[in-house]
Amino acid sequence: AQTVTQSQPEMSVQEAETVTLSCTYDTSESDYYLFWYKQPPSRQMILVIRQEAYKQQNATENRFSVNFQKAAKSFSLKISDSQLGDAAMYFCAYRTPSGSARQLTFGSGTQLTVLP
Amino acid sequence: AAGVIQSPRHLIKEKRETATLKCYPIPRHDTVYWYQQGPGQDPQFLISFYEKMQSDKGSIPDRFSAQQFSDYHSELNMSSLELGDSALYFCASSLVAAVETQYFGPGTRLLVL
Repeated sequence: AQTVTQSQPEMSVQEAETVTLSCTYDTSESDYYLFWYKQPPSRQMILVIRQEAYKQQNATENRFSVNFQKAAKSFSLKISDSQLGDAAMYFCAYRTPSGSARQLTFGSGTQLTVLP
Repeated sequence: AAGVIQSPRHLIKEKRETATLKCYPIPRHDTVYWYQQGPGQDPQFLISFYEKMQSDKGSIPDRFSAQQFSDYHSELNMSSLELGDSALYFCASSLVAAVETQYFGPGTRLLVL
């Protein structure tokens, strides 16, 4: 079974600074997808960024980028120029690309605080 | 852009009562997923449907059942409610494709007293 581990329950960053959230996963699959979701106090689950395992290039979405290390099974999220609105719980998630088991497996989350 | 719609947004029930949660996926999405998120927990997969057929089952109690209808909306039926069923229930939808990103609804917050 696939597992996703987020070893940082809480992180804080100063506004306008950069922060990196860690995620590792365990799988025997060679093809899969990885996601970062953000859950603000409203508790809405919002997609931040996604990465296909077959792509060597790291995904980037504006101020959000990932460092995907397939051999190390590591998938960290970097937030640049942090803003107050980035404060949220961040979940790393894994999914296989095919077959019936397309559900997301989530990590335990990292609570990010942005300090003004 | 249209998003996933869930109703009701909040629900209060007594123990042993029944609850029905509804999910309306993004138009043209053919797959629906249900997740349960307990307090301070990560979302846990319950069940999914593709083209109105159950496609996968997770940690869904036998007291719960779900289905997807011809218009692709889905309902999660929960019977003999227990205090431990109090949680946020998410529905997510996707279109079967190469990446198939799941988009989440706002959730239904269920409180069992």
